[in-house]
Amino acid sequence: DAGVIQSPRHEVTEMGQEVTLRCKPISGHDYLFWYRQTMMRGLELLIYFNNNVPIDDSGMPEDRFSAKMPNASFSTLKIQPSEPRDSAVYFCASSFFEGPAGGAYNEQFFGPGTRLTVL
Amino acid sequence: RKEVEQDPGPFNVPEGATVAFNCTYSNSASQSFFWYRQDCRKEPKLLMSVYSSGNEDGRFTAQLNRASQYISLLIRDSKLSDSATYLCVVMTTDSWGKLQFGAGTQVVVTP
Repeated sequence: DAGVIQSPRHEVTEMGQEVTLRCKPISGHDYLFWYRQTMMRGLELLIYFNNNVPIDDSGMPEDRFSAKMPNASFSTLKIQPSEPRDSAVYFCASSFFEGPAGGAYNEQFFGPGTRLTVL
Repeated sequence: RKEVEQDPGPFNVPEGATVAFNCTYSNSASQSFFWYRQDCRKEPKLLMSVYSSGNEDGRFTAQLNRASQYISLLIRDSKLSDSATYLCVVMTTDSWGKLQFGAGTQVVVTP
C-alpha cells in the first residue's frame, strides 16, 4: 500500500493567493483528518470526515479555510485568501475505526505533509 | 486547559541510559491511549498503544494510571535513533475515531 498521499509536498505562495492541498487516504479507511502543525501551536486538528461526511470542523480557523471530500479516495483543503500566519505543515491522516476495543487498530496513518509558506 | 498536557522537554539522555516521562489528560471519558513518535520534519507515526495493565514493546514500556489520569513512557537502553518527539494521544468515548494529541516531549539521546 502506498500509504496516505499528499500533494504538493511544498508550496510557496504570496499573500492573498488561493492554496489547495490534496490528500488521498489509504484505501478502505473510513476516517480522514486534516491537521496543521506549527512550532507555536503544535499539532491542531482542523476537520475530520467519516465516510466522506464532515463530522467536526470546529478546528477550522476561519471562513478562509474550507475542506471537501467528494469521494472516499480524495479530499482537499483550500485556503482563500492565504495569509502569512497560515504558514505551517499541513498533514492529512486516515484511519479505519475498529471500535473502542480496537487499540492499535485505530491507528491514524499520516501522510508526509505539505509544507506551506505564505509570503 | 488543554485536554492532553506534556512536558515539552527536551530530555537530554546519554546513550544507554533510561528516560521516562508522563502526560496527563483531563477528559475522564478518555478510553484509548497511544504514544506516537515524530522525527524532525517528518509525520507522526504510532509507537505503541497503552493498555490498562501496562505493556512493553522491546525497550519501551507504557503505563496508564486512570485514577490520576496520566500515561507514562519509559525508554530503556536509549539509542541515538530514539531522538524524536513523543506525542501522547487519547481517544474519548464522546468522539470515537478522533484523537487528541499532546504537544509532545522532545528526547535527545547524546553519544
